[in-house]
Amino acid sequence: NAGVTQTPKFQVLKTGQSMTLQCAQDMNHEYMSWYRQDPGMGLRLIHYSVGAGITDQGEVPNGYNVSRSTTEDFPLRLLSAAPSQTSVYFCASSYSWTGKNGYTFGSGTRLTVV
Amino acid sequence: GESVGLHLPTLSVQEGDNSIINCAYSNSASDYFIWYKQESGKGPQFIIDIRSNMDKRQGQRVTVLLNKTVKHLSLQIAATQPGDSAVYFCAENISNQGGSEKLVFGKGTKLTVNP
Repeated sequence: NAGVTQTPKFQVLKTGQSMTLQCAQDMNHEYMSWYRQDPGMGLRLIHYSVGAGITDQGEVPNGYNVSRSTTEDFPLRLLSAAPSQTSVYFCASSYSWTGKNGYTFGSGTRLTVV
Repeated sequence: GESVGLHLPTLSVQEGDNSIINCAYSNSASDYFIWYKQESGKGPQFIIDIRSNMDKRQGQRVTVLLNKTVKHLSLQIAATQPGDSAVYFCAENISNQGGSEKLVFGKGTKLTVNP
């Protein structure tokens, strides 16, 4: 079982560039979400999805887009990278959208925007 | 606004001692709480959860206590081991007006276990 797989693990972007962070899970989880983790800030929710075709904004959605065309994949797109988006990004999934079964996290993508 | 925070950002204990990590939450309607452990370079890992209709839940070497009166959550680790060194996050489950739910995480406490 792969669980939640994030790619790439590391990425350096120039300001203004765009990119997509990939997230895939093989557990048939309905709920998927993206968090960013900054020093002293804990994990902050960017976007989430309660099922294929459904997405919603979290606490810090500006500058990011998501889509959920399949149950397995939940990519996060940075449209025009900014230094403020330098962070570690985690994707998480859960069996139910209630979150009451705990989340499974990927190993993270460390993004640096210069 | 909604927030989940921790009283102590760092905690240092001796191997074999018991550790207590605290967490305060602000949303009295939150009905579910989770503790996560995050080791360096890894994603958070589920440790234990507790529903709001309980005040105590025990796992293997870990116990979570919930005091809804003062909106306080704690994680107790018995006989702390070097492998317990990590950052520990509490998270509360918050229901949105639209019916969906989300987890809000605290800032984390770094636990260091000294040999």
